[in-house]
Amino acid sequence: SQQGEEDPQALSIQEGENATMNCSYKTSINNLQWYRQNSGRGLVHLILIRSNEREKHSGRLRVTLDTSKKSSSLLITASRAADTASYFCATSTGTASKLTFGTGTRLQVTL
Amino acid sequence: NAGVMQNPRHLVRRRGQEARLRCSPMKGHSHVYWYRQLPEEGLKFMVYLQKENIIDESGMPKERFSAEFPKEGPSILRIQQVVRGDSAAYFCASSPGQMDQPQHFGDGTRLSIL
Repeated sequence: SQQGEEDPQALSIQEGENATMNCSYKTSINNLQWYRQNSGRGLVHLILIRSNEREKHSGRLRVTLDTSKKSSSLLITASRAADTASYFCATSTGTASKLTFGTGTRLQVTL
Repeated sequence: NAGVMQNPRHLVRRRGQEARLRCSPMKGHSHVYWYRQLPEEGLKFMVYLQKENIIDESGMPKERFSAEFPKEGPSILRIQQVVRGDSAAYFCASSPGQMDQPQHFGDGTRLSIL
């Protein structure tokens, strides 16, 4: 069964706006990762945050992790049309272990 | 510096036939994972392999599905006697197997069952 649940399921914004996606999970984790998937393609790794970290930045991406609430958020600032994709959170519970994916957020960025 | 390579990209089979999906991990990666994605859904784990060993097959259906990662050559996901419900995108990922290293994904094989 899916561990993670993302919300919203779909998000439509205009170019230049910020996009925030949330992810909740159920069990203790080693790390949480965010991936992007363009239509018909594989997943591209965006950012990994360890369980002992609370916030991480990478370019226009900002990820937070609250292990007490078992939740994470992904913020994309100054969005671009090229950011249009589905975004998934995935949790890992151990070294080199399987990933458990959320249900994804479909982001549409319009000009 | 090729990434994870999967082939074929698209595979069409009739009910009852066999499907073989191949995955070559990134150079230097010895850990391979297979996931399945149904339309509009997230990926679901199937199996995790290292060279010549199955580490975790907790997501594999008990019948008709098997996976291997031989000493030489790509990892193979094999589905025997396919049924319509096997239609999905199958993704392979690889990692170096160290703590807190991301998995790198191929572009998947889209399996369609007629």
